[in-house]
Amino acid sequence: RKEVEQDPGPFNVPEGATVAFNCTYSNSASQSFFWYRQDCRKEPKLLMSVYSSGNEDGRFTAQLNRASQYISLLIRDSKLSDSATYLCVVNFYRMDTGRRALTFGSGTRLQVQP
Amino acid sequence: NAGVTQTPKFQVLKTGQSMTLQCAQDMNHEYMSWYRQDPGMGLRLIHYSVGAGITDQGEVPNGYNVSRSTTEDFPLRLLSAAPSQTSVYFCASSYNREGYEQYFGPGTRLTVT
Repeated sequence: RKEVEQDPGPFNVPEGATVAFNCTYSNSASQSFFWYRQDCRKEPKLLMSVYSSGNEDGRFTAQLNRASQYISLLIRDSKLSDSATYLCVVNFYRMDTGRRALTFGSGTRLQVQP
Repeated sequence: NAGVTQTPKFQVLKTGQSMTLQCAQDMNHEYMSWYRQDPGMGLRLIHYSVGAGITDQGEVPNGYNVSRSTTEDFPLRLLSAAPSQTSVYFCASSYNREGYEQYFGPGTRLTVT
C-alpha cells in the first residue's frame, strides 16, 4: 500500500463547477499536510498548507480528517487556469530512513473545460 | 531573486556514463533536496542536506552522490548511468525540513539509453 494515495483522475469538469479531491495517508503519526500544484512539464508549487481546523484561500478549501487519515481539497467556481495536477504531501516519520520526510502522492489531474 | 536554478534542462546519456546535475539557490535556505519524478509515482527523495557540509540519504539514494560545500549549491552526481535512472529530477530548497514551503527548480529531464 502506498503511504500517500490519490485518485490519478483525470477529473474533467466544466468551468464554474465545484470539484473535490481526496488523499489518504497511511501513517497516523503524520504531522504536516500540504497541497502542491504542478502544471504540465513544470515544477511543483505550494498551493496551501492544511491545518487541523480546515482552512480556506479564496476558492480553495482544505480539510484534514485525522480519524480517517485523509485530507481533501475543494475548488469552487473552477477556472480554465485551475487545470493542473494536484499533489498531496504529508510529512511523517519514515521507517526506511529513520527520519522525518515529506512524502508526495502521485497527484490528481484536473482538466477544466470551457 | 532567481530562486532555485537547475542545469541542464535536458540531458541524454548512454548507459555507464557519469554526469553532474547542478542546483543552486539564492534564498539562503539551509535545507536542500533532490527528488526524482516518474510517471504514476510521487516525487521520491534521493538525497538531502540540512546545511553546508551535511548530507544524508533519502528514499532512493543508490546510484547517486551529493555534496554541499556551500549553502547555495547542491550538485547531484550520477556515478554510472542506468536506464532505470531515466526520470525528471527536481532540486528543492526550504527554510527547514519540516512544515515549510519547498521551492522547486524547473527540473532536469534525463534519458539514459
